[in-house]
Amino acid sequence: DAKTTQPNSMESNEEEPVHLPCNHSTISGTDYIHWYRQLPSQGPEYVIHGLTSNVNNRMASLAIAEDRKSSTLILHRATLRDAAVYYCILRGYNAGNMLTFGGGTRLMVKP
Amino acid sequence: GAVVSQHPSRVICKSGTSVKIECRSLDFQATTMFWYRQFPKQSLMLMATSNEGSKATYEQGVEKDKFLINHASLTLSTLTVTSAHPEDSSFYICSARKTGAGDTQYFGPGTRLTVL
Repeated sequence: DAKTTQPNSMESNEEEPVHLPCNHSTISGTDYIHWYRQLPSQGPEYVIHGLTSNVNNRMASLAIAEDRKSSTLILHRATLRDAAVYYCILRGYNAGNMLTFGGGTRLMVKP
Repeated sequence: GAVVSQHPSRVICKSGTSVKIECRSLDFQATTMFWYRQFPKQSLMLMATSNEGSKATYEQGVEKDKFLINHASLTLSTLTVTSAHPEDSSFYICSARKTGAGDTQYFGPGTRLTVL
């Protein structure tokens, strides 16, 4: 799977939107962009995924650049429960379905 | 969504004993499950890929005779840490693949293993 680059940490204020960036300049045409988050002492939780078009679900929105070399996870109103490590992962369609976790972005939410 | 459970959530054992961890997909069938290990303040590291009815595929550096994986049904995979030692203390997490566009993986809550 191609590599992703994320900031190590970000801070946000409660009730404000958060934009978590991810660079994946070597993405291939069949790579899906997956986002997971991990709260302390828990397993990762699926957030959202997309291929080319922007995606919305009840948890977040995923904005994918036109050239697909970057994407942004958008939390519309951060809450204290959103404090977690967010992982941006590329998964090739025929890559044995493995997920390779990088360092992720630790999001801190201030009240 | 889809639910994956793990049992036990926490286990403490003596050095030299074996520990079995169960991973179940509760509301879907999973032909493929994955086992990860996570040390404090580090990211998840894939240990092995478990396929129902066949042998697991281990990542480089993971001893297959020490970490025994059995995927006997479409909803259950087990990881047995044999002859556990303190350096095996870690957070073990499983995931199950749900077939579909993007093949989303759903993770269990993890098992905290402490070997004394």
